[in-house]
Amino acid sequence: DAGVTQSPTHLIKTRGQHVTLRCSPISGHKSVSWYQQVLGQGPQFIFQYYEKEERGRGNFPDRFSARQFPNYSSELNVNALLLGDSALYLCASSLQGTDYGYTFGSGTRLTVV
Amino acid sequence: AQSVTQPDIHITVSEGASLELRCNYSYGATPYLFWYVQSPGQGLQLLLKYFSGDTLVQGIKGFEAEFKRSQSSFNLRKPSVHWSDAAEYFCAVGAWAGANNLFFGTGTRLTVIP
Repeated sequence: DAGVTQSPTHLIKTRGQHVTLRCSPISGHKSVSWYQQVLGQGPQFIFQYYEKEERGRGNFPDRFSARQFPNYSSELNVNALLLGDSALYLCASSLQGTDYGYTFGSGTRLTVV
Repeated sequence: AQSVTQPDIHITVSEGASLELRCNYSYGATPYLFWYVQSPGQGLQLLLKYFSGDTLVQGIKGFEAEFKRSQSSFNLRKPSVHWSDAAEYFCAVGAWAGANNLFFGTGTRLTVIP
């Protein structure tokens, strides 16, 4: 069975640009969460979606947004990129998002120059 | 507010030696506690979790952790380390913040020497 799939694996963007990161959950999982992991730090919660509805949001500016599609895949969008947005962005899926039964993807490494 | 502290940034052990990684948490209610491992360039893999019941939890790859409420700790142990255990280890607490999200510590990097 395929695990959590994230694309792209790496990308480089310029300050001020916009970026879209994608995540496909494990088949049957209806909840997707996004985490940001800055180098040398632990992951930090950004969003959780369940059944296309936002269930929770972490302490991130409005430049960060996300959505979930009918097939339960998800996109994370970041506008007006800053150097500090450089990080590994992790997606995690779970059946319903209520049991902490998360499976993480390998992440997208975003570098802002 | 919930928080997780991993006091050791980097630990080096010899292959075959025992290992203990420390984790202290702060959370008002009964915590859900987790240990994850991350290899370079990889995502997070769950080693074990504690929700309730027996305070000694067994996980994958020969790891175990003990929940001590009086010390607010959830230390990870392994009796004999293998070279393949070299990685970054994260302790996390599950807390409701509008969603069942995880609050992670800053991680402990484990180096294994032959």
